[in-house]
Amino acid sequence: EDQVTQSPEALRLQEGESSSLNCSYTVSGLRGLFWYRQDPGKGPEFLFTLYSAGEEKEKERLKATLTKKESFLHITAPKPEDSATYLCAVQEVDSSYKLIFGSGTRLLVRP
Amino acid sequence: DTEVTQTPKHLVMGMTNKKSLKCEQHMGHRAMYWYKQKAKKPPELMFVYSYEKLSINESVPSRFSPECPNSSLLNLHLHALQPEDSALYLCASSYSGGETQYFGPGTRLLVL
Repeated sequence: EDQVTQSPEALRLQEGESSSLNCSYTVSGLRGLFWYRQDPGKGPEFLFTLYSAGEEKEKERLKATLTKKESFLHITAPKPEDSATYLCAVQEVDSSYKLIFGSGTRLLVRP
Repeated sequence: DTEVTQTPKHLVMGMTNKKSLKCEQHMGHRAMYWYKQKAKKPPELMFVYSYEKLSINESVPSRFSPECPNSSLLNLHLHALQPEDSALYLCASSYSGGETQYFGPGTRLLVL
């Protein structure tokens, strides 16, 4: 069965302490992998789309990478405002509209 | 501009009420989506409209009725809801299938 698994479930970092979030997936064919950030009670905010293994994208302190089995979201020198839930979602080749979401990683960055 | 707007932000309704949620985008996107999200869970797809036609209905109960009046607007009509329907309702849009979905801020619904 197709599955998207995110780890860890929760992560506490000190301000400036870099780390990585993981999203592993098992789908028959990958159309795209999407990273979103979600603050409590708000809609997911788009961060990155990755389409093929080896692809990397960066935005400020965030960098997303993709292999054939997983994606990493690297956070460099995080700040308290980076605290949020980070959601990974995968879209299969055979499905143009459905996103398969992971359960998310809740990140807390302490000052 | 990647903005999707939703109204109202909050809604409280009784089980016998009829209400509607509204979603709007002006990005020229041809696919629009309704999701339901419970606390500490990922969004769950409810409906997809593509080119103003209902493309996907994820076996959602008939007390939820979607409508797409034009390519920029998406409504969700609510009737006879249950307390377990309380959740954050999210609208999203994408240029087409397979493209990045952009989410609105959501409507927080409480059913009493």
